[in-house]
Formats: sequence, C-alpha cells, structure tokens
Amino acid sequence: NAGVTQTPKFQVLKTGQSMTLQCAQDMNHNSMYWYRQDPGMGLRLIYYSASEGTTDKGEVPNGYNVSRLNKREFSLRLESAAPSQTSVYFCASSEDRVYGYTFGSGTRLTVV
Amino acid sequence: DQQVKQNSPSLSVQEGRISILNCDYTNSMFDYFLWYKKYPAEGPTFLISISSIKDKNEDGRFTVFLNKSAKHLSLHIVPSQPGDSAVYFCAASTGTASKLTFGTGTRLQVTL
Repeated sequence: NAGVTQTPKFQVLKTGQSMTLQCAQDMNHNSMYWYRQDPGMGLRLIYYSASEGTTDKGEVPNGYNVSRLNKREFSLRLESAAPSQTSVYFCASSEDRVYGYTFGSGTRLTVV
Repeated sequence: DQQVKQNSPSLSVQEGRISILNCDYTNSMFDYFLWYKKYPAEGPTFLISISSIKDKNEDGRFTVFLNKSAKHLSLHIVPSQPGDSAVYFCAASTGTASKLTFGTGTRLQVTL
C-alpha cells in the first residue's frame, strides 16, 4: 500500500542511549516532516525537509538531528535520549499544502 | 506561544446530532487551514481544508467554516456517527510554506 512507513513502532531507551527513527514514503512527495505528539500539546514540528537535500528546524528541534537520505527517506536521530523525549513520533510527507500531509502510524518512544 | 488553539479538549454528542468543533488562531499570516482526524494507535488522516479566500467548504457530512475577522474556524459534522469518535486536530499554514502548525486537538465521542 502506498503511504508513509515508520520503524520501529515501539521503543524503550535508557537515558543517554541513542537511536534513529526511520521513515520512508513511496508517493514521490518532495516534503517530509517529523512531529511529536504529547498530551495537551498537540502535534509539534521537530524538523522538516522541503525538498531532497534540505532540512530545517521546526518548533522543538533541541536534542534531535535529521537526515534526508534521498527523496524517499527522512530519519530522525536522538543522540542522547532524555526522559523529556518520551513521546509519540510521527513522520509525514506532502506534495503541497493543498492536499495536506500523509502521516505514518507513529513510533511510541519511552525513555527511562 | 500557541498560534493555533482548540480550547475544548473533549466533546460528547449523540448519534445523529451535529458535532461542532472549534479552532482559533492568532497568526494573521495563516491563509490555509486543514482538519485532521486521528484514531488511537494510528497517524492523523486528512479530513477537509479551506483556503482563506473562502468562508465555507463542504465535503459530504463535513463542513468547515472560516471567519477571518474573528480568526476562527469550525468543523461541523452532520449527522454524527459512532465512527466519527476520534481526536480532531485543526492546522494552519502560511504563504507557500507547506509546514503546518497544529492545534492541541479535541476528542469527540459520539454516543448511541
């Protein structure tokens, strides 16, 4: 099925550990995004990539890095995980704003 | 600074009645607005959108109204169905940028 695929779906990390969240889309979209969802906070933009080869910070970029590996793939890296990064992470892609985003099913990350 | 606000965290409506979900924004540069629907353990899915040059957009049971002078938009669902029970997010973007600013969400419960 066409769409956005995120891996893993669940992850538990210890404080200080690192990990990379993977995201791939097969819709040939130019733009890709990483959001986090926290209770009472809605969806907040971490980083985005308007096109292959470009990345920009969003609202809450601290503690994260991203890589736009190619047009299909956009990864999010936590270099040294902290309990405040416990959240549900969503990757999304879009062709343009008129059609909105297509989201992945999310990664539930717990940092202990 | 929350630029997109959904002041009602939850709403309960009887099946067959109208559901009205509200959203306020503060950034006068926003010119495109969208509503997303999210079920548990899934990513948000695009529902309906409206450009700032319009004041109403309709798609089946879903209608979005935009009041630019009040910086307010609303989503009407008529008639409400149990399958509409979900969290609804409003979102907004500016100019040609495709990145979205989301509200905090409203949980809709449609009861029998």
